[in-house]
Amino acid sequence: DAGITQSPRYKITETGRQVTLMCHQTWSHSYMFWYRQDLGHGLRLIYYSAAADITDKGEVPDGYVVSRSKTENFPLTLESATRSQTSVYFCASSEGWGDTEAFFGQGTRLTVV
Amino acid sequence: AQSVTQLGSHVSVSEGALVLLRCNYSSSVPPYLFWYVQYPNQGLQLLLKYTTGATLVKGINGFEAEFKKSETSFHLTKPSAHMSDAAEYFCAVSASGGSYIPTFGRGTSLIVHP
Repeated sequence: DAGITQSPRYKITETGRQVTLMCHQTWSHSYMFWYRQDLGHGLRLIYYSAAADITDKGEVPDGYVVSRSKTENFPLTLESATRSQTSVYFCASSEGWGDTEAFFGQGTRLTVV
Repeated sequence: AQSVTQLGSHVSVSEGALVLLRCNYSSSVPPYLFWYVQYPNQGLQLLLKYTTGATLVKGINGFEAEFKKSETSFHLTKPSAHMSDAAEYFCAVSASGGSYIPTFGRGTSLIVHP
């Protein structure tokens, strides 16, 4: 099915562990984004990518790493998870940017204990 | 730099009443403006957007928004609320000529009472 999928949907991990959140889109959209959603903060951009092998930092990149070796995949890695990274993470993609809409995955709820 | 302010983290209305969700933006260049809706345990989906042209924009599910440059606003309205409208609503701005990356507001939770 066409769309954007995130995995896992739910994840519990321990402080200090590395964890990777996956994002896959089937549209071949050029642009992909990672946001985190926290109560009182709305959506904050972590990283974005304009094309394969092109990534850049967003508003809150510290503690996160991304890669984009293929257009359709945009994994987000927490190198050493901290409790402050407990959040809901959304991946999104868009065909262009500026006047084009973003399509969002269903989110990954990550709890760091 | 661009930013978005959504007034009111929660808005409560009765079923059948007017829905008004407020959004003000700041942008040094003409903006592109969006409203997204998020239902529980789901991702965001587009309600409507303003790019250029007609300032009154109609979206899905009976929602509409009006771009008012003089007031730097893009408020979302619906004449008659339904129970199914209960959700989180996000306003977003993407500025032409500047940063194209969408910046989101903090969201407004719409509560609909029977």
